Amino acid sequence: DTGVSQDPRHKITKRGQNVTFRCDPISEHNRLYWYRQTLGQGPEFLTYFQNEAQLEKSRLLSDRFSAERPKGSFSTLEIQRTEQGDSAMYLCASSLPSGEETQYFGPGTRLLVL
Amino acid sequence: AQTVTQSQPEMSVQEAETVTLSCTYDTSENNYYLFWYKQPPSRQMILVIRQEAYKQQNATENRFSVNFQKAAKSFSLKISDSQLGDTAMYFCAITSYNAGNMLTFGGGTRLMVKP
Repeated sequence: DTGVSQDPRHKITKRGQNVTFRCDPISEHNRLYWYRQTLGQGPEFLTYFQNEAQLEKSRLLSDRFSAERPKGSFSTLEIQRTEQGDSAMYLCASSLPSGEETQYFGPGTRLLVL
Repeated sequence: AQTVTQSQPEMSVQEAETVTLSCTYDTSENNYYLFWYKQPPSRQMILVIRQEAYKQQNATENRFSVNFQKAAKSFSLKISDSQLGDTAMYFCAITSYNAGNMLTFGGGTRLMVKP
């Protein structure tokens, strides 16, 4: 069990550029979650997948954000036309199906938009 | 909607002593799960302890235990024999099946363990 991994760990970009983050969940976990965490705050839910289906999206997830999990394994989170307000830590978590509710987190991708 | 409130932004404790972190929550669900996560500086979030709402017995994990008061919607974390490695942000969180299993977090408590 290698845990949840995320890539890249850090990303610096200029306002207006597109960025894409990747998350690889724990292998037997079919649920995958994305959260955003700003400095000094608790994480906020963005979206989640069960297998390849995106089942829930937060109002925080504007039209500039899109997430995919095409084969039910890894997931990508893309932010188009980045804004300075997008600067945050983007966390990925995974869990087993309902009945085992514990989510295990990856190390996160820290995004800085200049 | 679920909400979680952590009323202590910062706390400190001497090494080897005991500290209790507070958490209150609100939910309309009957079946839900409560968690404490630890986030050390510049490191990833790890699970400390979890509690199923239908269980009356308080969860314990080594030096960590909870005081779960369902009627009061309170879920405090007690850390015994505090160690320097316990220095971290601690987040209380809730989830339920009907909430899509998404975690709702509190604002966190920054704990400093002093030598």
